[in-house]
Amino acid sequence: EAAVTQSPRSKVAVTGGKVTLSCHQTNNHDYMYWYRQDTGHGLRLIHYSYVADSTEKGDIPDGYKASRPSQENFSLILELASLSQTAVYFCASSDVWGAYAEQFFGPGTRLTVL
Amino acid sequence: AQSVTQPDARVTVSEGASLQLRCKYSYSGTPYLFWYVQYPRQGLQLLLKYYSGDPVVQGVNGFEAEFIKSNSSFHLRKASVHWSDSAVYFCAVSMATGGNNKLTFGQGTVLSVIP
Repeated sequence: EAAVTQSPRSKVAVTGGKVTLSCHQTNNHDYMYWYRQDTGHGLRLIHYSYVADSTEKGDIPDGYKASRPSQENFSLILELASLSQTAVYFCASSDVWGAYAEQFFGPGTRLTVL
Repeated sequence: AQSVTQPDARVTVSEGASLQLRCKYSYSGTPYLFWYVQYPRQGLQLLLKYYSGDPVVQGVNGFEAEFIKSNSSFHLRKASVHWSDSAVYFCAVSMATGGNNKLTFGQGTVLSVIP
């Protein structure tokens, strides 16, 4: 069954440390996305990618990097984690580019920065 | 810029009762509208989407939504809820022009269905 998986599912990090969140999809989709969700807020787009080895900035890219080494894998990297980056992070994929495309989401990673 | 507002952070209904979850958007053009649901410990799943045609669109599991352009609303409805409908519901909008795939989400509404 096609799916988007994320690892780890939860993580506690220290301020200033490096954090890598991983996403893997078996949907054979070209497009992948990273969102963050803060309590009481909707999801906000951090980075996205439409092809391997290329990433694009979303609405809130500051403090984050992304890496797309293959069609299936998309990572989100926090080089210097900060308290403000405590949130739930969602990865998603879609098979087409366009406003009407359905995105398929992973279960999320809960990141706590102390 | 586009925005989405879900005015109800939490809604509690009894099993078998009808449901309406509210969503209002702000966008100057023609929007694509979505409702996603997040069940506990799972990712978001699409319930339904709308762009044009009949303003009442049917989704999965008996959900429907009505697009009311004059009110900039896209409320989600269900005639009779089940305990398994307990989840977080997100309304989202994207732009119909320029091929932009960016989704703008509302804050989400936590639905609790009580026996």
